[in-house]
Amino acid sequence: KNEVEQSPQNLTAQEGEFITINCSYSVGISALHWLQQHPGGGIVSLFMLSSGKKKHGRLIATINIQEKHSSLHITASHPRDSAVYICAVLNGGATNKLIFGTGTLLAVQP
Amino acid sequence: NAGVMQNPRHLVRRRGQEARLRCSPVKGHSHVYWYRQLPEEGLKFMVYLQKENIIDESGMPKERFSAEFPKEGPSILRIQQVVRGDSAAYFCASSPPGNRGANVLTFGAGSRLTVL
Repeated sequence: KNEVEQSPQNLTAQEGEFITINCSYSVGISALHWLQQHPGGGIVSLFMLSSGKKKHGRLIATINIQEKHSSLHITASHPRDSAVYICAVLNGGATNKLIFGTGTLLAVQP
Repeated sequence: NAGVMQNPRHLVRRRGQEARLRCSPVKGHSHVYWYRQLPEEGLKFMVYLQKENIIDESGMPKERFSAEFPKEGPSILRIQQVVRGDSAAYFCASSPPGNRGANVLTFGAGSRLTVL
């Protein structure tokens, strides 16, 4: 079982829909990242969370430390939101290495 | 203030050759991380370096792979005697100094290695 699990693996939505991507993890963490990767492209860090909720434009990220769960929400989705969204946890400790989920491939159709 | 700069963006090598991937961190960042993304797979941690020190190389293959982050200049990921299975995207990220520095991560655009 992966230490970081994402669901769904694939998601197709119509433009304008509200989208939720979930991330569950089984290790102790100091922080959680949501990353965005366009096909063949680089990686952009969307959020870093250690508690509560953050909002940036149409994107909202929440984390529940007790339940070891985080969600990424996209409001009023747009075709340009189509990308792979990756949850990654920072395991803290001395090395601070990221443990990645397998990603959620989002396609937003016009 | 440039972000993380990786070069080359694309590199083609024949089996048995050497590949060198470079990463210049964000100015002022002293922590560098390398990650590998194999085709159709997720990202995997390879190595974590600070200036002149390898802190954690638990994700590095035991042979042919090495990394350094010298006092001056970029971090280098070196792959000797490349094989087809080394074909992947290699991403570098950097963070500022301090225990909580790793929480602030900036990624490079990646270097895509193709081994023929």
